[in-house]
Amino acid sequence: AQSVTQLDSHVSVSEGTPVLLRCNYSSSYSPSLFWYVQHPNKGLQLLLKYTSAATLVKGINGFEAEFKKSETSFHLTKPSAHMSDAAEYFCVVSENFGNEKLTFGTGTRLTIIP
Amino acid sequence: DAGVTQSPTHLIKTRGQQVTLRCSPKSGHDTVSWYQQALGQGPQFIFQYYEEEERQRGNFPDRFSGHQFPNYSSELNVNALLLGDSALYLCASSSLQKRVRGETQYFGPGTRLLVL
Repeated sequence: AQSVTQLDSHVSVSEGTPVLLRCNYSSSYSPSLFWYVQHPNKGLQLLLKYTSAATLVKGINGFEAEFKKSETSFHLTKPSAHMSDAAEYFCVVSENFGNEKLTFGTGTRLTIIP
Repeated sequence: DAGVTQSPTHLIKTRGQQVTLRCSPKSGHDTVSWYQQALGQGPQFIFQYYEEEERQRGNFPDRFSGHQFPNYSSELNVNALLLGDSALYLCASSSLQKRVRGETQYFGPGTRLLVL
């Protein structure tokens, strides 16, 4: 069975400071891992994905994540937070490149302090 | 390109009633998946439809059923509604051909269902 654990339910950072959202995964196979963002009253948007290529993955809006197999982690980072980054972020695992069932974490709410 | 569309946007039902939610996939997509997102939780996989058949199912009771039409659109039906069925229901679409290249699923804005 596959699962993800998002280690923080809520993260607050000041505008212009770095963002770190933590995610650990569990999977019986070589997983595909994703980060999705959900703004209020909007659909889920894919930020980035890892599918067994480069371990450092760059996504949209300046976000990136590093796949660390030894630590079973896939943390999301951004060097400088912007007010528009305030949203709910989900770490997601899939065992077939994201084409089949996606298993979501419980989410991390990111608040940006002006 | 309209992307994934869902209707209605909001819905209020009472316990015991039945509800049908609709989804139109992104142009060029042939596969539709449904997810339930309870308040404060991550989405949970309900089932996936491809070629008008249910291909994969999550841990949901038989009260949850679906259908896919020849034009790839899909419906989610929930019978005998319970208070706990109140949630945001998300539809996601993908393409069999594009899956080979690792393209993932695109999500619609969801239908918010409230059961009283």
